[in-house]
Amino acid sequence: DSGVTQTPKHLITATGQRVTLRCSPRSGDLSVYWYQQSLDQGLQFLIQYYNGEERAKGNILERFSAQQFPDLHSELNLSSLELGDSALYFCASSVGGQGGTGNTIYFGEGSWLTVV
Amino acid sequence: GNSVTQMEGPVTLSEEAFLTINCTYTATGYPSLFWYVQYPGEGLQLLLKATKADDKGSNKGFEATYRKETTSFHLEKGSVQVSDSAVYFCALSDRRLTGGGNKLTFGTGTQLKVEL
Repeated sequence: DSGVTQTPKHLITATGQRVTLRCSPRSGDLSVYWYQQSLDQGLQFLIQYYNGEERAKGNILERFSAQQFPDLHSELNLSSLELGDSALYFCASSVGGQGGTGNTIYFGEGSWLTVV
Repeated sequence: GNSVTQMEGPVTLSEEAFLTINCTYTATGYPSLFWYVQYPGEGLQLLLKATKADDKGSNKGFEATYRKETTSFHLEKGSVQVSDSAVYFCALSDRRLTGGGNKLTFGTGTQLKVEL
């Protein structure tokens, strides 16, 4: 158990709908990250928040948005869903916000999203 | 930009065989290197890491040495078990990421199957 908690674990929704994925980081971690894992794209970094502020942005679509709240939990909002958005969405957390310093990132078990 | 290249899978071995999964990287800065493992139906777990050249990361019998001269971080285990069957991801994190954020760049993953 990494200590990163994600809900829901599984979600099935229709095209055009909007969903919200929730993440609680490990105790004491200030950074939250969102990754998407799909068969064709592999593991893709979406976005990072550090202590409530956006710190780094990856291949996140405009239809997607995220935020980190004062209690440090984070939400990923996915709207106007398409079939291609079906994927496993990981949340991860780390103590610091800086890369390359061995700042270890710990992953949750993911939220499986199926768009039908 | 940064990139990670892993050997293609699946890799199928008999129990107690020696394992090597090759990983090479391209980075503009001074990356930290990681191996993550994903067991069937589960999230990503950190297996081991190395933060500077010549460091050796080790955990659960797995080892990898950070080789700057060959830009490699190959994963090895002397005697695999059926329970090691999983997908293994090599990843890097670069401290020179613009804006000071953190981002893991992943390889495509290598599936390992260990048979009795």
